[in-house]
Amino acid sequence: DTGVSQDPRHKITKRGQNVTFRCDPISEHNRLYWYRQTLGQGPEFLTYFQNEAQLEKSRLLSDRFSAERPKGSFSTLEIQRTEQGDSAMYLCASSFAGDEQFFGPGTRLTVL
Amino acid sequence: KQEVTQIPAALSVPEGENLVLNCSFTDSAIYNLQWFRQDPGKGLTSLLLIQSSQREQTSGRLNASLDKSSGRSTLYIAASQPGDSATYLCAVRDGNFNKFYFGSGTKLNVKP
Repeated sequence: DTGVSQDPRHKITKRGQNVTFRCDPISEHNRLYWYRQTLGQGPEFLTYFQNEAQLEKSRLLSDRFSAERPKGSFSTLEIQRTEQGDSAMYLCASSFAGDEQFFGPGTRLTVL
Repeated sequence: KQEVTQIPAALSVPEGENLVLNCSFTDSAIYNLQWFRQDPGKGLTSLLLIQSSQREQTSGRLNASLDKSSGRSTLYIAASQPGDSATYLCAVRDGNFNKFYFGSGTKLNVKP
């Protein structure tokens, strides 16, 4: 296993468009996390899954954001009607039973 | 809500120097604390994980300590090298909820 992967690595979109990001965790990890990071700041927690169940959502996750993890494997994060304030690095991490987190390379979103 | 602070925000040292990075948190009811490094535009690389019952962890030239009662952790880097230049982030896992809170990081520059 090569670690956590994310796709795409970069996404440029126009305001108002929908975007979807994918995260593939380390195969034996049952927990998957999504974070958002803006320049000069640490990652901010968005949501996390244990297997296929979404157990926690941050207030940062507005109604325009939705995340899924069908069958407890890969996860997708969708942002509808993107705004310029959504421009950030979106990071995915996975862990086994909430211990050491391993991060993917991130998806950098630019909303024009 | 848990607040995580990292001081200093930036640090520049000559190669070979030993250095200490600081992380403080406001709520001592943590499950664990994890140190990461982040290179520009990249994801996070896990360095050390300390469980709440542990006092320190070591990996190579890195040593992390945890004083849960005072809400502090330190990352000690021995014999610093230019390749250590990166942003170092600490994250605490909330003891009651499965959320991780990050500091804003310390940007380290090791000069040859």
